[in-house]
Amino acid sequence: GAVVSQHPSWVICKSGTSVKIECRSLDFQATTMFWYRQFPKQSLMLMATSNEGSKATYEQGVEKDKFLINHASLTLSTLTVTSAHPEDSSFYICSANFRGRRIQYFGAGTRLSVL
Amino acid sequence: GQQLNQSPQSMFIQEGEDVSMNCTSSSIFNTWLWYKQDPGEGPVLLIALYKAGELTSNGRLTAQFGITRKDSFLNISASIPSDVGIYFCAGQLGTGNQFYFGTGTSLTVIP
Repeated sequence: GAVVSQHPSWVICKSGTSVKIECRSLDFQATTMFWYRQFPKQSLMLMATSNEGSKATYEQGVEKDKFLINHASLTLSTLTVTSAHPEDSSFYICSANFRGRRIQYFGAGTRLSVL
Repeated sequence: GQQLNQSPQSMFIQEGEDVSMNCTSSSIFNTWLWYKQDPGEGPVLLIALYKAGELTSNGRLTAQFGITRKDSFLNISASIPSDVGIYFCAGQLGTGNQFYFGTGTSLTVIP
């Protein structure tokens, strides 16, 4: 069964609104989670590394004020897309390294459509 | 970031045929993972490799960790329609938690 849960799976919002996506590790603690963005027919693009109890580490070119990440507990990380615009429409996926092992599991992804 | 080159970019095969794809890097990795992604879904882990030369199977899937630690291969035997999807490799360097992803191989199986 799934070890990483992501919610919602699909969200449609108006331009200018903010959207929050949740990523939960199931039955294990994840001190580190990752947020990716994926465009159609392309590979995963790492946006940021979410660290429990500290600030997220953003990849170059990713606006930290635009994509707010909060990793408030060992099982939950959230990504908030602030003041969303149509160009933010994309598929967002989270992942977590399983119990510190050299293995990474993904959530089912969230499709964001900004009108 | 690290660049993982995955080939082929796409494949169109007949049901029942075998499939082979590979992933190469200029860096040495200590872990290789292979994932399959269906449209609108997150990637699902298929096989994990941790040692140079390691050969691991998962049903009809077999993957190998290259001896040089800079490459990995995934083979699918006797393909079936549900094998359709995009396959990604991912590698992890000796330090840190981050995995780097390949460009993906899109597989189409013709019944």
